[in-house]
Amino acid sequence: GENVEQHPSTLSVQEGDSAVIKCTYSDSASNYFPWYKQELGKRPQLIIDIRSNVGEKKDQRIAVTLNKTAKHFSLHITETQPEDSAVYFCAASWRNQGGKLIFGQGTELSVKP
Amino acid sequence: EAGVAQSPRYKIIEKRQSVAFWCNPISGHATLYWYQQILGQGPKLLIQFQNNGVVDDSQLPKDRFSAERLKGVDSTLKIQPAKLEDSAVYLCASSSAVGVNEQFFGPGTRLTVL
Repeated sequence: GENVEQHPSTLSVQEGDSAVIKCTYSDSASNYFPWYKQELGKRPQLIIDIRSNVGEKKDQRIAVTLNKTAKHFSLHITETQPEDSAVYFCAASWRNQGGKLIFGQGTELSVKP
Repeated sequence: EAGVAQSPRYKIIEKRQSVAFWCNPISGHATLYWYQQILGQGPKLLIQFQNNGVVDDSQLPKDRFSAERLKGVDSTLKIQPAKLEDSAVYLCASSSAVGVNEQFFGPGTRLTVL
């Protein structure tokens, strides 16, 4: 069945360091991979996404890479800041399933000043 | 543009009681999703609507959960009767069309079942 595995579950870095979160997906038909940031008590916010016809996408300090052969994708945050502290969720979706998202378990990122 | 609206934001009930949640998606968005997010986990899809029709309800516990979107705009999700394990945040999301992947989430309703 459809499944998304996310690692690590917690990640602690020093301000200014980089953070990397990895996800693997089970269904090779998946074609859309968003990343959401969720602060405590708030809604998930889309921060970046990538489609299966692209290998890498960047937006300022964040980037996502996709390896379709290995069925995994990663979120990279450079020059981390305390306000990056939150829970990050990866997800996978595919067009012929109506666009529903299958989420990973989440990574709690803590950026220490 | 206004975002996805949900109410109430918080609800506390006792087990076996009933509860209903309301969602108003972004204007013009045809597709509406209800997700359940248990503490410490990622959101899990309960039901997906395209206009007023159900696209996917395979994960909805139909013995106690029901949802409707009668006019193809706002939606209600009901639990009757509630169990302790229903304690979670219920998130509503919308997207402009089926298969258009980008989804926008509402603030959620935090349900506590005692």
